[in-house]
Amino acid sequence: DAGVTQSPTHLIKTRGQHVTLRCSPISGHKSVSWYQQVLGQGPQFIFQYYEKEERGRGNFPDRFSARQFPNYSSELNVNALLLGDSALYLCASSLDGQGVSYNSPLHFGNGTRLTVT
Amino acid sequence: DAKTTQPPSMDCAEGRAANLPCNHSTISGNEYVYWYRQIHSQGPQYIIHGLKNNETNEMASLIITEDRKSSTLILPHATLRDTAVYYCIVRVVRTTFTGTASKLTFGTGTRLQVTL
Repeated sequence: DAGVTQSPTHLIKTRGQHVTLRCSPISGHKSVSWYQQVLGQGPQFIFQYYEKEERGRGNFPDRFSARQFPNYSSELNVNALLLGDSALYLCASSLDGQGVSYNSPLHFGNGTRLTVT
Repeated sequence: DAKTTQPPSMDCAEGRAANLPCNHSTISGNEYVYWYRQIHSQGPQYIIHGLKNNETNEMASLIITEDRKSSTLILPHATLRDTAVYYCIVRVVRTTFTGTASKLTFGTGTRLQVTL
């Protein structure tokens, strides 16, 4: 079975532009989470979505938004890009909320490397 | 959120067991300990998780102390492909008016270098 897939794998944008990153979860997973990983640090939680609803949000500005579609895929949008938004953006899916007690491992994709110049 | 403390780096000879320690002294009774690893330029890979009992799978073993304030990840026969950053995480689950959410709070991890 395919794992979590993310697109694009690499992206270069200019300050002030906006970007849309896409994620397809593992088949059967309804929960999708987004993480940002700046070089040299561990991933930081941005959002969690379940059944198309936002269930959690990390400490990120309103320039960051996301949504989840009926097929459980997800998009992360970042507006007014700053140099500091350069990072690896990771998507993870899990069986969270599907009759399990939030003890389902998150499975990560290989991320989208965003460079803002 | 419960904080974890790991050594920044460790070395291990190929074929030997790698024992990676983690302290999580503020862990709550219903919080799980998760271990992930990240090989350069890839997403984090799930290894194992546990609540209070020792766990073993095809990748590793997880030993959690009785007071749950620390744990050890054991790679029984380390290979060069096990060279990675290993993250020990206490998983937090919160229920608010918007529903129940769960997140992983990553630290800086332990960089394990397996050598010949």
